[in-house]
Amino acid sequence: KNQVEQSPQSLIILEGKNCTLQCNYTVSPFSNLRWYKQDTGRGPVSLTIMTFSENTKSNGRYTATLDADTKQSSLHITASQLSDSASYICVVSASIGNKLTFGGGTRVLVKP
Amino acid sequence: DAGVTQSPTHLIKTRGQQVTLRCSPISGHKSVSWYQQVLGQGPQFIFQYYEKEERGRGNFPDRFSARQFPNYSSELNVNALLLGDSALYLCASSLGQGVWETQYFGPGTRLLVL
Repeated sequence: KNQVEQSPQSLIILEGKNCTLQCNYTVSPFSNLRWYKQDTGRGPVSLTIMTFSENTKSNGRYTATLDADTKQSSLHITASQLSDSASYICVVSASIGNKLTFGGGTRVLVKP
Repeated sequence: DAGVTQSPTHLIKTRGQQVTLRCSPISGHKSVSWYQQVLGQGPQFIFQYYEKEERGRGNFPDRFSARQFPNYSSELNVNALLLGDSALYLCASSLGQGVWETQYFGPGTRLLVL
């Protein structure tokens, strides 16, 4: 069964600090992995997309890594800002079946 | 340019009733997907439509149905509502149907079943 597990479920960080979110998946055969940011009351917005051949991809202060061998990904937020407070969702696509598997998300709260 | 729009934004229904949610994709997008997001969890895939045909279905009961119109807008219908159907229903559109396509999400319809 295709699954995506994210950790931690939630975290609180101080403004200006860095944090790292984890995503483990069992989706097979793997096609790509995306990180989405979902602000409260809004739909998710894509941050990055990675294939099995990509190890690192950045989008501003967001840097995603992917280890296709261990089926793990991480999202690193650098110099956090209050606007980074949101849920971050890891989404993995299989190359067969045309379906996306969503993780449960990590809720990040950035405090001043 | 308008993004994905959904209506209504909020809805309150009672058990046993039926509900219809609407979605308008980004202009030029031919694929629409529907997701259910229960509070505190990630979205769960319900349906994908592409060129007016169902191209994917998640693990939801037959009470859930959908359709896509010639203008690529879509409706999600839920019959015989249960308390557990209370959730945020997200619509996402993309140019095509493949897993490489970036999905653009609407703001969602928040459904409360009493």
